[in-house]
Amino acid sequence: EVQLVESGGGLVQPGGSLRLSCAASGFTFSSNDMHWVRQATGEGLEWVSGIGTTGDIHYIDSVKGRFTISRENAKNSLYLQMNSLRAGDTAVYYCAKKVWGAGMDVWGQGTTVTVSS
Amino acid sequence: DIQMTQSPSTLSASVGDRVTITCRASQSITNWLAWYQQKPGKAPKVLIFKASSLESGVPSRFSGSGSGTEFTLTISSLQPDDFATYYCQQYNSYPLTFGGGTKVEIK
Repeated sequence: EVQLVESGGGLVQPGGSLRLSCAASGFTFSSNDMHWVRQATGEGLEWVSGIGTTGDIHYIDSVKGRFTISRENAKNSLYLQMNSLRAGDTAVYYCAKKVWGAGMDVWGQGTTVTVSS
Repeated sequence: DIQMTQSPSTLSASVGDRVTITCRASQSITNWLAWYQQKPGKAPKVLIFKASSLESGVPSRFSGSGSGTEFTLTISSLQPDDFATYYCQQYNSYPLTFGGGTKVEIK
């Protein structure tokens, strides 16, 4: 079964750090672009970051310099290191797989990040 | 950044209705557009990619059209399972961007 499972979310104070993980199974992880998408409560979807099969990396402006995306193909895992967290980063974070030329066809169940004092 | 504008933001419809949702890009994205359906508390599910290609397993009542800057998602005959929020997304260039969403409600 093709599956993505996120972990690592939680409650953190402003300025704190969290590391999200996404464990992939059921497909060739190394052959797919991977992305993080977030959604604040009651709000729409916001793409956060993506990493390609060749290691090319992209971020939304609001997280540049604070978040770092990485992948470990040997472990079929995607990560998002989040530093200097702000209240505005509070959201459910989804990891998603994307095939070139197509949409994000597999999503995890999401992990909740709450930034609050 | 490419801005994606969806309309309407909310749509009230009945089972059996034909429903159309529009998505406009702030600049041309050729046909690099996907549509997603999201239900409360669940992850999004891709319906359409490359503007008009139906994702495997998605019912044929869903269809997409358009190119350049104007796109539409059509549900030919609304079913009870289709009441949800729909998002368009461009993947022509980074940052990837989503439309604001269209909530399809029961009339």
